Amino acid sequence: SQQGEEDPQALSIQEGENATMNCSYKTSINNLQWYRQNSGRGLVHLILIRSNEREKHSGRLRVTLDTSKKSSSLLITASRAADTASYFCATQYNAGNMLTFGGGTRLMVKP
Amino acid sequence: KAGVTQTPRYLIKTRGQQVTLSCSPISGHRSVSWYQQTPGQGLQFLFEYFSETQRNKGNFPGRFSGRQFSNSRSEMNVSTLELGDSALYLCASSFGTDNQPQHFGDGTRLSIL
Repeated sequence: SQQGEEDPQALSIQEGENATMNCSYKTSINNLQWYRQNSGRGLVHLILIRSNEREKHSGRLRVTLDTSKKSSSLLITASRAADTASYFCATQYNAGNMLTFGGGTRLMVKP
Repeated sequence: KAGVTQTPRYLIKTRGQQVTLSCSPISGHRSVSWYQQTPGQGLQFLFEYFSETQRNKGNFPGRFSGRQFSNSRSEMNVSTLELGDSALYLCASSFGTDNQPQHFGDGTRLSIL
């Protein structure tokens, strides 16, 4: 079964708007990662945030982590049509590189 | 530097057959993980290999197996294929140490008739 859930399942916005996706998980984690997947392709790593970190930035991406609530959020600012994709959060909670994925958020950015 | 390469990209099999999928990791990466992606179950972890040893295993039946070679290349095998095995199979590689991102290939799309 999946470690967590993502919310919303689908999101449609206009170019230039911000997009926020949320992820909840169930167990203590070592880190939480966000990935993007374009239709029919593999996953592309976006950001990794460790359990002792609260916020991370990468370009137009901002990720927060609240371990007390077991939740994370991904904010994409000034979205572009090229940001249209599915976004997944994944947690790593044991030794090794096993990732447990959420169900994903399908983001559509309209030009 | 070349990314993760998975072969073949597409595969069609019939029930009862077996299949072998291949994954070449990024040079220098020692960990290779396999995931199954379906519309109903989402992304599910199959297993991880590190330095030719299985380090983690997901909750899949014994029909799913894998191995890793000394050059870190990995194969996964599915025997006695079932219709429900139709999925996108993704391979990911990393250095294998703590807190490392995974680098994914584009997957093998397996269809069972």
